[in-house]
Amino acid sequence: AQKITQTQPGMFVQEKEAVTLDCTYDTSDPSYGLFWYKQPSSGEMIFLIYQGSYDQQNATEGRYSLNFQKARKSANLVISASQLGDSAMYFCPSGAGSYQLTFGKGTKLSVIP
Amino acid sequence: NAGVTQTPKFQVLKTGQSMTLQCAQDMNHEYMSWYRQDPGMGLRLIHYSVGAGITDQGEVPNGYNVSRSTTEDFPLRLLSAAPSQTSVYFCASSYFGTGNTGELFFGEGSRLTVL
Repeated sequence: AQKITQTQPGMFVQEKEAVTLDCTYDTSDPSYGLFWYKQPSSGEMIFLIYQGSYDQQNATEGRYSLNFQKARKSANLVISASQLGDSAMYFCPSGAGSYQLTFGKGTKLSVIP
Repeated sequence: NAGVTQTPKFQVLKTGQSMTLQCAQDMNHEYMSWYRQDPGMGLRLIHYSVGAGITDQGEVPNGYNVSRSTTEDFPLRLLSAAPSQTSVYFCASSYFGTGNTGELFFGEGSRLTVL
């Protein structure tokens, strides 16, 4: 079974600054995927980025990049040039299959104007 | 495309009542899952399916039943509702194949209150 730890319950960042959200995972699966999802106050789950455990390069998607350090079992999300609309809960689930993900408790990001 | 559609969006039940949360996807995805989200928590997996006719239990399956008679539909049944099942429920689907980005597509959620 997987275990996901997000050690930052809440984070603040100034608009236009970069921010890193931490995520560590514990798994015995030889192959797994790492995801980041955003959940705004309206409640929907918005996919941000995906990293496969065997991918050689860190995933990037627009302003989002995933800092994947396999040996340290960490998959931190970097958001560059923060916007007010980035204020939300952020989750970094992981699993051997995308249908069977384990979630942590999330990090609440607040962007300050 | 409609994506993943959940109904109803809101429901209030009395303890002991039964109900079914409906989930349908129009993306021909093989994999479907049900999660629940309690206040201040991440999502927890209830049941999942890797194809029509195949289901399995997740982390918190007690009190819930599922079936998968078609690729499109994956209903979640509460047999005898309890206050501990008050939660927001998310249905999700994903596609496994070449070029799979790994994305799990979520429905908008169903808020269930059990009195």
